[in-house]
Amino acid sequence: DADVTQTPRNRITKTGKRIMLECSQTKGHDRMYWYRQDPGLGLRLIYYSFDVKDINKGEISDGYSVSRQAQAKFSLSLESAIPNQTALYFCATSVPGSREQYFGPGTRLTVT
Amino acid sequence: DQQVKQNSPSLSVQEGRISILNCDYTNSMFDYFLWYKKYPAEGPTFLISISSIKDKNEDGRFTVFLNKSAKHLSLHIVPSQPGDSAVYFCAATWSGTYKYIFGTGTRLKVLA
Repeated sequence: DADVTQTPRNRITKTGKRIMLECSQTKGHDRMYWYRQDPGLGLRLIYYSFDVKDINKGEISDGYSVSRQAQAKFSLSLESAIPNQTALYFCATSVPGSREQYFGPGTRLTVT
Repeated sequence: DQQVKQNSPSLSVQEGRISILNCDYTNSMFDYFLWYKKYPAEGPTFLISISSIKDKNEDGRFTVFLNKSAKHLSLHIVPSQPGDSAVYFCAATWSGTYKYIFGTGTRLKVLA
């Protein structure tokens, strides 16, 4: 079983709809991250959380919100989706003292 | 402002030969660098890393070289195998933060 899972894996939604992407991990890591990947731009950090009570904005947080429901769960919400939020979204985890991140398989989101 | 650049979007190499993937950075604060490999429909997986206090790190067929004066790092894969065909991302970070700046990726194709 995968250590970091993301649901859904693919989603098509319409402009203006609210959508939630979910991430769960069984690695027991405290730190969780949300990234988006766009063609030609690499991965960019949206939000990160160092524990349940600590949530921080990344470089492109506008239009997004997050919820850390438990150590193992970190959800990303788009309150009102727009077409330029069409991208591949990755969740990742890490542990304090380690620079490695462990990524989920990604969610491909299309906003029409 | 692309602080981490991978100027070659793609690279093709014959099986058994050396693959060299390059990455340039602009921010002198970066003190730790990582390489990730990504297969289609999967998340990036950690491959190898290097601290700025070193100029080389080796792990099996994979070696990362860091040239701080040139702000350049490279990943060498010797010998290249068809299973190495993937997209490779370099990433950089610095002490006191857990933010990572990713390059745009290089697609490596190893030809049998």
